[in-house]
Amino acid sequence: QSLLTQPPSASGTPGQRVTISCSGSSSNIGRRTVNWYQQLPGAAPKLLIYTNYQRPSGVPDRFSGSKSGTSASLAISGLQSEDEADYYCAAWDDSLNDWVFGGGTKLTVL
Amino acid sequence: QVQLQESGPGLVKPSETLSLTCAVSGASISSNYWSWIRQPPGKGLEWIGYIYYSGSTNYNPSLKSRVTISVDTSKNQFSLRLSSLTAADTAVYYCARGGNGDFYPYNWFDPWGQGTQVTVSS
Repeated sequence: QSLLTQPPSASGTPGQRVTISCSGSSSNIGRRTVNWYQQLPGAAPKLLIYTNYQRPSGVPDRFSGSKSGTSASLAISGLQSEDEADYYCAAWDDSLNDWVFGGGTKLTVL
Repeated sequence: QVQLQESGPGLVKPSETLSLTCAVSGASISSNYWSWIRQPPGKGLEWIGYIYYSGSTNYNPSLKSRVTISVDTSKNQFSLRLSSLTAADTAVYYCARGGNGDFYPYNWFDPWGQGTQVTVSS
């Protein structure tokens, strides 16, 4: 059971805006920054958002991240078919001295 | 462009020790933290541990008794050893740059290697 809670699935039509939530606790998201990873089918994960809201070079500004308290969110606007992937949130946990990941959200573009 | 490439056996027997290597190109290994992460089939991600070029390590507490991560700066690569394997260790194993949760800009994983499938079976 993952320590960060994500919905197992999400969906939207092309052009729509979709939000994926990530819920944690005071020992991880509550005091640490959150990163998001995108895993396309059959590929390795790729860094999508770091330090809560920052985008690595090359990541479209359609992707945005936010954090409030012990929760974080990933928003994807102008949904495209190539956004169909698994999305994972992650944060360091001070109590466990371990990285904790969300269980992943499978995004389907209808 | 930094690239990481995992290598090692695809099939290992139960109770044996897994050895994997991650070759780093496009960057010196002597300038960052380096991690191993795994993903069981159809499941999520699990951090295994990280190493700094100096040899300093930090391991997932649940795997600590079975894990050793080492670095070879002369070859610009780092390695993973996981002992006493069971079927539960079957997974795709990834290496990645970063992973020290305490220090910016090391507190994320980027980039990742393509991953290597490891199956534990007799």
